Amino acid sequence: DAKTTQPTSMDCAEGRAANLPCNHSTISGNEYVYWYRQIHSQGPQYIIHGLKNNETNEMASLIITEDRKSSTLILPHATLRDTAVYYCIVRGGLNAGGTSYGKLTFGQGTILTVHP
Amino acid sequence: GAVVSQHPSRVICKSGTSVKIECRSLDFQATTMFWYRQFPKQSLMLMATSNEGSKATYEQGVEKDKFLINHASLTLSTLTVTSAHPEDSSFYICSARVGTYNSPLHFGNGTRLTVT
Repeated sequence: DAKTTQPTSMDCAEGRAANLPCNHSTISGNEYVYWYRQIHSQGPQYIIHGLKNNETNEMASLIITEDRKSSTLILPHATLRDTAVYYCIVRGGLNAGGTSYGKLTFGQGTILTVHP
Repeated sequence: GAVVSQHPSRVICKSGTSVKIECRSLDFQATTMFWYRQFPKQSLMLMATSNEGSKATYEQGVEKDKFLINHASLTLSTLTVTSAHPEDSSFYICSARVGTYNSPLHFGNGTRLTVT
């Protein structure tokens, strides 16, 4: 699976949009981009995923560049409870083959701190 | 939404004893579950892939005889840490996939194991 690069940490003011970038320049055609977050001492929480089109759900929006080499997770109105580690993960699709088994490989993520 | 339940949330055991951790998919059937381990201030590391009705697949460097995985039904996978030592103290997290191969994984809330 392609590796990802994320900033180590970011700050955001409460009520403002939080834009978390992720580089995945070696992504291949059938690999999806997944975003998860982990609040301290809890299991990761799924946020959103996409292949090439932009996606939006009740939690966030995912913007994927046309060349798919980078993406941005947008939390439109950040709250204090959004403070967490955010992980951007690229995972092979159905035809990836090999021994991936659909597993997710976590990097170090971005520590997002939302402050009042 | 999909719920993955892990039990216990915390366990303290003495060195040399064994500990069993349960992972249940509450409202869906999971043919594949994944077990992760997370040390303080580190990211999640995949330990093994648990397949219903067959042997688990372990990641490189994970001792299969020490971390026994049983996935006897479509809603339950167990991880047994045998002959636990203080260095096995960690945060153990399971996850399961809902739906097709490209569907996101959903995670349990983790088990904090402390070996004294």
